[in-house]
Amino acid sequence: QVQLVESGGGVVQPGRSLRLSCAASGFTFSSHGMHWVRQAPGKGLEWVAIIWYDGSKTNYADSVKGRFTISRDNLKNTLYLQMNNLRAEDTGVFYCARESLGTFDSWGQGTLVTVSS
Amino acid sequence: QSALTQPASVSGSPGQSITISCTGTSSDVGSYKLVSWYQQHPGKAPQVMIYEVSKRPSGVSNRFSGSKSGNTASLTISGLQAEDEADYYCCSHAGSGIYVFGTGTKVTVL
Repeated sequence: QVQLVESGGGVVQPGRSLRLSCAASGFTFSSHGMHWVRQAPGKGLEWVAIIWYDGSKTNYADSVKGRFTISRDNLKNTLYLQMNNLRAEDTGVFYCARESLGTFDSWGQGTLVTVSS
Repeated sequence: QSALTQPASVSGSPGQSITISCTGTSSDVGSYKLVSWYQQHPGKAPQVMIYEVSKRPSGVSNRFSGSKSGNTASLTISGLQAEDEADYYCCSHAGSGIYVFGTGTKVTVL
C-alpha cells in the first residue's frame, strides 16, 4: 500500500535552516507530482510547494517563495523540502502528499517543525 | 493566493444533511474542475473525500457529495453520523500547479 513517511522536523532558531524528507513506498514514485502542505498549530491547511513527477518544474506559495526549495530523488523514492531563513510563522506540522488527478490522494503522518529562540 | 472562504462551523443532528460552502474566485474555483474536499480528525492527516468537484474515491461513503456553481463549491453530508464530526477543507487548483486550501469548517454532530 502507499506509504509516505516524513522526517527531519525539530526545533530550530529563527533564521536557521532545516531539511525535511519524505520517503515514499508502495507506488511508482516517479509517476506522481508531489507536494508539501503545512498546518500551523490549531490552524488550517496551507499548500506550500509542488514538484512535477520528473522534477522538471516546481512552484511555491508566496509565503515561502525564495526561502524554501522542493526537490526529489526518483532513484531513492524520496521527496525533500529545504527550508532556509526560517521564521516563527513557519512553525507547524509539515505533510508530504502524493498528487493524482489534481488531488492529494495520499498523505504522510506529518513532521513537526518548531521555529523558536 | 488567498485562502478560499468556508464557514467556520456547521452543525447538525444525526441523520440530518448539512452543506459546507467554499467560495473562491474566477482564478481558482471558478476556472478549474480540480476542486477537492478533505476530512481531518484531530491529530490525524487529512483524507480526501471528494475530488474533481463531485467524484468519490473508493471507500468513501456515498453520503458525501460535491458540487460547484461559478466560484463556489459545496460539500454535502447526508445522513449525518457521529463519525463525521471533524474538520473539513476544500482545495482548488489555481493554475501553474499552485493549489489553495479553504479556511476550514468544523462539523459538529449534535
